[in-house]
Amino acid sequence: KQEVTQIPAALSVPEGENLVLNCSFTDSAIYNLQWFRQDPGKGLTSLLLIQSSQREQTSGRLNASLDKSSGRSTLYIAASQPGDSATYLCAVRQGSGTYKYIFGTGTRLKVLA
Amino acid sequence: DAGVTQSPTHLIKTRGQQVTLRCSPKSGHDTVSWYQQALGQGPQFIFQYYEEEERQRGNFPDRFSGHQFPNYSSELNVNALLLGDSALYLCASTMDSVYGYTFGSGTRLTVV
Repeated sequence: KQEVTQIPAALSVPEGENLVLNCSFTDSAIYNLQWFRQDPGKGLTSLLLIQSSQREQTSGRLNASLDKSSGRSTLYIAASQPGDSATYLCAVRQGSGTYKYIFGTGTRLKVLA
Repeated sequence: DAGVTQSPTHLIKTRGQQVTLRCSPKSGHDTVSWYQQALGQGPQFIFQYYEEEERQRGNFPDRFSGHQFPNYSSELNVNALLLGDSALYLCASTMDSVYGYTFGSGTRLTVV
């Protein structure tokens, strides 16, 4: 049974810092992995999608890497800003025979001005 | 281009009642999934609809049912509401799941 863990649960950093959020999963046979951002009480905004054959994806100040063999993904945020404050969720989809995403519980990020 | 639209945004129901939540997928998307997110938790998969059929179901009781219409919009129905059904209900759509999913803003359901 796939389990997704995100560490740390919460993180507070000063503005301008580069930071790394971690996501680990127990079953390496994934189809893809998606990182999301969630503002309080709101829906999910997709940040980056990594297919199982890819090692990383980049969008602006965000970079996500995937190491299937070790069951890990990291989301790197460069030059953090107060507007980056949100909860970041990673979700994995198993092999092509299933369509559901299994989510971690998220990392709650606060960037201090 | 409108993204995923959910209605209503907030809802308060009494224990034992029934509720219907609605979702319009992003333009061009034909697949709709529903998730339940309890406070402080990650979303949990309820089910997915494709071609008006339930294609996959998560570990939720039969009180949770759904429907997809020919225009790809979808409804989530929950019968005999329990206090534990209070959560944010999220709808997600895709045109081909290899591209990942687009989520709506959710419906906040409170059962009293």
